[in-house]
Amino acid sequence: DVKVTQSSRYLVKRTGEKVFLECVQDMDHENMFWYRQDPGLGLRLIYFSYDVKMKEKGDIPEGYSVSREKKERFSLILESASTNQTSMYLCASSPSGGNRAYEQYFGPGTRLTVT
Amino acid sequence: GNSVTQMEGPVTLSEEAFLTINCTYTATGYPSLFWYVQYPGEGLQLLLKATKADDKGSNKGFEATYRKETTSFHLEKGSVQVSDSAVYFCALSDRGGSQGNLIFGKGTKLSVKP
Repeated sequence: DVKVTQSSRYLVKRTGEKVFLECVQDMDHENMFWYRQDPGLGLRLIYFSYDVKMKEKGDIPEGYSVSREKKERFSLILESASTNQTSMYLCASSPSGGNRAYEQYFGPGTRLTVT
Repeated sequence: GNSVTQMEGPVTLSEEAFLTINCTYTATGYPSLFWYVQYPGEGLQLLLKATKADDKGSNKGFEATYRKETTSFHLEKGSVQVSDSAVYFCALSDRGGSQGNLIFGKGTKLSVKP
């Protein structure tokens, strides 16, 4: 079974702190994604990566950065956390090539609260 | 651009009722279509998919047919169970972007009462 794990289920941080959210997958997938999920807004793509050290902006990259130094790990960084970044953060991965690239496997999510 | 519209929830049904969750899409070309499900406290998981017009995806008693003429991919189940309570997301492959990108609808929450 594909496993996508996220470093924390719940996280509370203060405004202005630098926050790291870690995601690890164990299926040698090339593609990895970070989303945030908010009530009434569904899933919005923050950043994605299709290879080590490669990254591309999604729909809402402002206030975030990412790092992919190893194939299995994709980190989301909030440079200076703000209260409007309080949300559920979901990581996903998928293999490359053909239609299987769209079969994303999701982690359980990190619920981040910024106070 | 490409987009997905799902019926707003929440949807509340009694056990063994028939379920339909509507999904329509706007896309150029021939996208693949997906339904993902999110159970309480979990991430999303793929429920079913269809890759071309008139394909029917099915899994766990759920099914959806890719209708190009009506640009729809409605999710149906003949008899829902309490364990089907979850949020359901319709999605399409965004071939205009890099590979693997999906465009998700906003989700429809289903509650099934015993």
